[in-house]
Amino acid sequence: DARVTQTPRHKVTEMGQEVTMRCQPILGHNTVFWYRQTMMQGLELLAYFRNRAPLDDSGMPKDRFSAEMPDATLATLKIQPSEPRDSAVYFCASGYTKGVHTIYFGEGSWLTVV
Amino acid sequence: EDQVTQSPEALRLQEGESSSLNCSYTVSGLRGLFWYRQDPGKGPEFLFTLYSAGEEKEKERLKATLTKKESFLHITAPKPEDSATYLCAVQLSYQGSQGNLIFGKGTKLSVKP
Repeated sequence: DARVTQTPRHKVTEMGQEVTMRCQPILGHNTVFWYRQTMMQGLELLAYFRNRAPLDDSGMPKDRFSAEMPDATLATLKIQPSEPRDSAVYFCASGYTKGVHTIYFGEGSWLTVV
Repeated sequence: EDQVTQSPEALRLQEGESSSLNCSYTVSGLRGLFWYRQDPGKGPEFLFTLYSAGEEKEKERLKATLTKKESFLHITAPKPEDSATYLCAVQLSYQGSQGNLIFGKGTKLSVKP
Protein backbone atom coordinates (compact mmCIF):
# COMPACT_ATOMS: atom_id res chain seq x y z
CA ASP A 1 0.00 0.00 0.00
CA ALA A 2 1.34 3.43 -0.95
CA ARG A 3 1.33 5.74 2.03
CA VAL A 4 2.58 9.07 3.29
CA THR A 5 5.48 8.59 5.70
CA GLN A 6 6.22 11.04 8.49
CA THR A 7 9.10 11.28 10.95
CA PRO A 8 9.43 11.56 13.86
CA ARG A 9 6.21 10.01 15.12
CA HIS A 10 6.71 11.53 18.56
CA LYS A 11 8.90 14.39 19.73
CA VAL A 12 9.29 16.02 23.15
CA THR A 13 11.46 19.08 23.18
CA GLU A 14 12.24 22.06 25.35
CA MET A 15 10.98 25.53 24.60
CA GLY A 16 13.39 27.39 22.35
CA GLN A 17 14.73 24.31 20.60
CA GLU A 18 14.52 23.74 16.86
CA VAL A 19 12.16 21.04 15.62
CA THR A 20 12.21 19.55 12.13
CA MET A 21 9.48 17.25 10.87
CA ARG A 22 9.88 15.29 7.65
CA CYS A 23 7.44 13.85 5.18
CA GLN A 24 7.75 11.49 2.23
CA PRO A 25 4.67 11.91 0.03
CA ILE A 26 3.15 9.12 -2.01
CA LEU A 27 5.16 8.52 -5.18
CA GLY A 28 3.60 10.35 -8.12
CA HIS A 29 1.65 12.84 -6.05
CA ASN A 30 2.36 16.46 -6.98
CA THR A 31 0.70 18.28 -4.09
CA VAL A 32 1.87 18.19 -0.48
CA PHE A 33 0.08 19.71 2.49
CA TRP A 34 1.03 20.38 6.10
CA TYR A 35 -1.86 20.43 8.59
CA ARG A 36 -1.86 20.93 12.35
CA GLN A 37 -4.46 19.33 14.61
CA THR A 38 -5.41 20.47 18.10
CA MET A 39 -8.42 19.73 20.26
CA MET A 40 -9.55 23.35 20.13
CA GLN A 41 -9.03 24.16 16.46
CA GLY A 42 -9.27 20.82 14.75
CA LEU A 43 -7.33 20.41 11.50
CA GLU A 44 -5.80 23.64 10.20
CA LEU A 45 -3.85 24.07 6.98
CA LEU A 46 -0.36 25.46 7.53
CA ALA A 47 1.18 25.32 4.05
CA TYR A 48 1.09 23.47 0.78
CA PHE A 49 3.19 22.82 -2.27
CA ARG A 50 2.41 21.93 -5.85
CA ASN A 51 5.16 20.46 -8.00
CA ARG A 52 7.51 21.42 -5.13
CA ALA A 53 6.63 25.12 -5.40
CA PRO A 54 5.13 26.74 -2.28
CA LEU A 55 1.59 27.90 -3.04
CA ASP A 56 0.30 29.12 0.27
CA ASP A 57 1.83 29.36 3.71
CA SER A 58 -0.58 31.91 5.13
CA GLY A 59 -1.58 29.50 7.90
CA MET A 60 1.89 29.45 9.42
CA PRO A 61 3.38 31.83 11.98
CA LYS A 62 6.00 33.33 9.70
CA ASP A 63 8.47 34.29 12.36
CA ARG A 64 9.08 30.76 13.60
CA PHE A 65 7.74 28.26 11.07
CA SER A 66 9.18 27.40 7.70
CA ALA A 67 8.25 24.75 5.14
CA GLU A 68 10.34 23.49 2.26
CA MET A 69 10.34 20.79 -0.35
CA PRO A 70 13.94 20.17 -1.36
CA ASP A 71 12.96 17.36 -3.73
CA ALA A 72 9.89 15.45 -4.85
CA THR A 73 10.32 12.80 -2.16
CA LEU A 74 10.85 15.06 0.85
CA ALA A 75 8.93 17.87 2.51
CA THR A 76 10.05 19.48 5.75
CA LEU A 77 8.39 21.63 8.38
CA LYS A 78 10.67 23.46 10.77
CA ILE A 79 9.88 25.34 13.95
CA GLN A 80 12.56 27.60 15.38
CA PRO A 81 12.33 28.50 18.19
CA SER A 82 9.61 26.18 19.45
CA GLU A 83 7.06 27.31 22.04
CA PRO A 84 4.64 25.36 24.27
CA ARG A 85 1.69 26.59 22.16
CA ASP A 86 3.17 24.68 19.21
CA SER A 87 2.32 21.39 20.94
CA ALA A 88 0.00 19.59 18.53
CA VAL A 89 -0.12 16.81 15.98
CA TYR A 90 1.33 17.79 12.62
CA PHE A 91 0.06 15.91 9.59
CA CYS A 92 1.51 15.74 6.14
CA ALA A 93 -0.80 14.82 3.29
CA SER A 94 -0.33 14.37 -0.43
CA GLY A 95 -2.49 14.21 -3.52
CA TYR A 96 -2.47 14.56 -7.29
CA THR A 97 -4.01 17.77 -8.61
CA LYS A 98 -6.41 16.87 -11.38
CA GLY A 99 -10.01 17.93 -10.97
CA VAL A 100 -11.37 16.68 -7.70
CA HIS A 101 -8.52 14.85 -6.08
CA THR A 102 -8.27 12.90 -2.89
CA ILE A 103 -5.70 13.82 -0.26
CA TYR A 104 -4.07 11.05 1.75
CA PHE A 105 -2.67 11.63 5.20
CA GLY A 106 0.33 10.33 7.07
CA GLU A 107 0.17 9.09 10.65
CA GLY A 108 1.29 12.42 12.06
CA SER A 109 4.12 13.80 14.16
CA TRP A 110 3.09 14.29 17.79
CA LEU A 111 4.96 17.30 19.15
CA THR A 112 5.15 18.30 22.80
CA VAL A 113 7.07 21.44 23.72
CA VAL A 114 7.78 21.77 27.44
CA GLU B 1 -16.05 33.00 4.69
CA ASP B 2 -15.86 29.34 3.74
CA GLN B 3 -17.02 27.19 6.63
CA VAL B 4 -17.73 23.57 7.49
CA THR B 5 -19.77 22.63 10.56
CA GLN B 6 -20.30 19.11 11.86
CA SER B 7 -22.92 17.92 14.29
CA PRO B 8 -23.22 16.47 16.78
CA GLU B 9 -19.78 16.87 18.34
CA ALA B 10 -20.14 13.48 19.99
CA LEU B 11 -22.54 10.59 19.50
CA ARG B 12 -22.94 7.49 21.62
CA LEU B 13 -24.81 4.56 20.13
CA GLN B 14 -25.62 1.04 21.13
CA GLU B 15 -24.47 -1.65 18.77
CA GLY B 16 -27.07 -1.99 16.03
CA GLU B 17 -28.58 1.45 16.64
CA SER B 18 -28.55 3.29 13.30
CA SER B 19 -28.00 7.05 13.14
CA SER B 20 -26.67 9.90 10.98
CA LEU B 21 -23.89 12.44 11.24
CA ASN B 22 -24.33 15.87 9.69
CA CYS B 23 -21.92 18.13 7.82
CA SER B 24 -23.19 21.51 6.71
CA TYR B 25 -21.09 23.82 4.58
CA THR B 26 -21.03 27.41 3.41
CA VAL B 27 -18.56 27.83 0.59
CA SER B 28 -18.17 30.01 -2.45
CA GLY B 29 -17.80 27.05 -4.77
CA LEU B 30 -17.67 23.34 -4.05
CA ARG B 31 -15.41 21.05 -6.02
CA GLY B 32 -15.91 18.03 -3.80
CA LEU B 33 -16.89 16.93 -0.31
CA PHE B 34 -14.85 14.33 1.55
CA TRP B 35 -15.46 12.07 4.51
CA TYR B 36 -12.56 10.74 6.54
CA ARG B 37 -12.37 8.44 9.54
CA GLN B 38 -9.76 9.09 12.23
CA ASP B 39 -8.83 6.58 14.91
CA PRO B 40 -6.98 7.69 18.07
CA GLY B 41 -3.29 8.21 17.38
CA LYS B 42 -3.73 7.85 13.63
CA GLY B 43 -4.03 10.08 10.60
CA PRO B 44 -7.36 10.65 8.84
CA GLU B 45 -8.30 7.74 6.59
CA PHE B 46 -10.17 8.48 3.39
CA LEU B 47 -13.72 7.11 3.12
CA PHE B 48 -15.69 8.90 0.39
CA THR B 49 -15.71 11.72 -2.11
CA LEU B 50 -19.00 13.29 -3.23
CA TYR B 51 -19.08 15.62 -6.21
CA SER B 52 -22.61 16.86 -6.76
CA ALA B 53 -25.96 17.20 -5.03
CA GLY B 54 -27.94 13.98 -5.09
CA GLU B 55 -24.90 11.74 -5.15
CA GLU B 56 -24.62 8.81 -2.75
CA LYS B 57 -21.70 6.51 -1.89
CA GLU B 58 -21.73 3.36 0.23
CA LYS B 59 -19.11 1.30 2.01
CA GLU B 60 -20.11 -1.53 4.32
CA ARG B 61 -22.32 0.02 7.02
CA LEU B 62 -21.68 3.60 5.89
CA LYS B 63 -23.58 5.65 3.34
CA ALA B 64 -22.75 9.25 2.47
CA THR B 65 -25.18 11.61 0.78
CA LEU B 66 -24.87 15.17 -0.49
CA THR B 67 -27.25 18.09 -0.95
CA LYS B 68 -26.48 21.67 -1.94
CA LYS B 69 -25.95 22.69 1.67
CA GLU B 70 -25.03 19.59 3.63
CA SER B 71 -23.89 16.02 3.67
CA PHE B 72 -24.97 13.12 5.84
CA LEU B 73 -23.05 10.06 6.87
CA HIS B 74 -25.56 7.35 7.69
CA ILE B 75 -24.40 4.47 9.84
CA THR B 76 -26.58 1.37 9.65
CA ALA B 77 -26.43 -1.20 12.47
CA PRO B 78 -23.07 0.07 13.76
CA LYS B 79 -20.53 -2.16 15.47
CA PRO B 80 -17.98 -1.22 18.15
CA GLU B 81 -15.24 -1.16 15.51
CA ASP B 82 -17.02 1.79 13.88
CA SER B 83 -16.06 3.91 16.89
CA ALA B 84 -13.86 6.75 15.64
CA THR B 85 -13.95 10.44 14.84
CA TYR B 86 -15.54 11.16 11.48
CA LEU B 87 -14.29 14.23 9.66
CA CYS B 88 -15.96 16.10 6.85
CA ALA B 89 -13.96 18.34 4.50
CA VAL B 90 -14.66 20.44 1.42
CA GLN B 91 -12.44 21.16 -1.54
CA LEU B 92 -13.07 24.52 -3.12
CA SER B 93 -13.47 25.25 -6.80
CA TYR B 94 -12.60 28.91 -7.15
CA GLN B 95 -9.47 29.96 -8.95
CA GLY B 96 -6.48 30.01 -6.65
CA SER B 97 -7.68 27.08 -4.63
CA GLN B 98 -5.18 24.37 -5.32
CA GLY B 99 -6.95 21.45 -3.78
CA ASN B 100 -6.52 22.02 -0.08
CA LEU B 101 -9.30 20.81 2.20
CA ILE B 102 -11.25 22.81 4.77
CA PHE B 103 -12.20 20.52 7.62
CA GLY B 104 -15.01 20.46 10.12
CA LYS B 105 -14.11 19.67 13.72
CA GLY B 106 -15.47 16.17 13.52
CA THR B 107 -18.01 13.95 15.21
CA LYS B 108 -16.68 11.50 17.78
CA LEU B 109 -18.70 8.30 17.51
CA SER B 110 -18.73 5.70 20.26
CA VAL B 111 -20.54 2.41 19.71
CA LYS B 112 -21.11 0.29 22.81
CA PRO B 113 -21.62 -3.47 22.60
